[in-house]
Amino acid sequence: ETVMTQSPNSLAVSLGERATINCKASQSILYTSNDKNYLAWYQQKPGQPPKLLIYWASTRESGVPDRFSGSGSGTDFTLTISSLQAEDVAVYFCQQYYSTPRTFGQGTKVEIK
Amino acid sequence: QVQLQQWGAGLLKPSETLSLTCAVSGGSFNGYYWTWIRQSPGGGLEWIGEISHSERPNYNPSLKDRVTLSVDTSKNHFFLRMTSLTAADTGVYFCARPRRNYGSGNDGYNVWGQGTMVAVSS
Repeated sequence: ETVMTQSPNSLAVSLGERATINCKASQSILYTSNDKNYLAWYQQKPGQPPKLLIYWASTRESGVPDRFSGSGSGTDFTLTISSLQAEDVAVYFCQQYYSTPRTFGQGTKVEIK
Repeated sequence: QVQLQQWGAGLLKPSETLSLTCAVSGGSFNGYYWTWIRQSPGGGLEWIGEISHSERPNYNPSLKDRVTLSVDTSKNHFFLRMTSLTAADTGVYFCARPRRNYGSGNDGYNVWGQGTMVAVSS
């Protein structure tokens, strides 16, 4: 099983400032035959299911604001919110879909400072 | 637009069996790995397993002995059955669908049910 570890567990950022969340996989989730990283990022607000933000580590899902970006490869990944908005307060999860069982990071809670 | 509507009993006793249903509407049922994911009260997400209309189900090894996934293609429904419940099974259970069909490869989940709160308590 691929263990996904996020850091930090929580962070408080001022409105308009940058928020950065890290995600580390216990083994590479880069599929060399297609050069794709099998990693997704989700946003979850209270009482709602997770919402897919990014797939292939860096491709934004349709309708996701461009202040959200993903980067990284192999085992180390980052989700960046370039300019935090009030509506971005949520818990963010990374997830690998390279192998089964699919696994998630423990989540990072983003709040306003 | 694909939608998932889920339902099932929410309050169960230890040793009882959980049964959940997820109904698919607005899109194709065939060709996707229909998935169950649960969320603990602490917030962690755990993948339970996936099933399609024609492929063998894949289960999380940690739950494999207690979980059965099945489908009813005539109704576009898929099901979760989990036996021998304990308090550790308390949480919110989600059904979900990957972004692409399984012929295109693995993917993240862009369609989710609303979630069903399951509490296991004597």
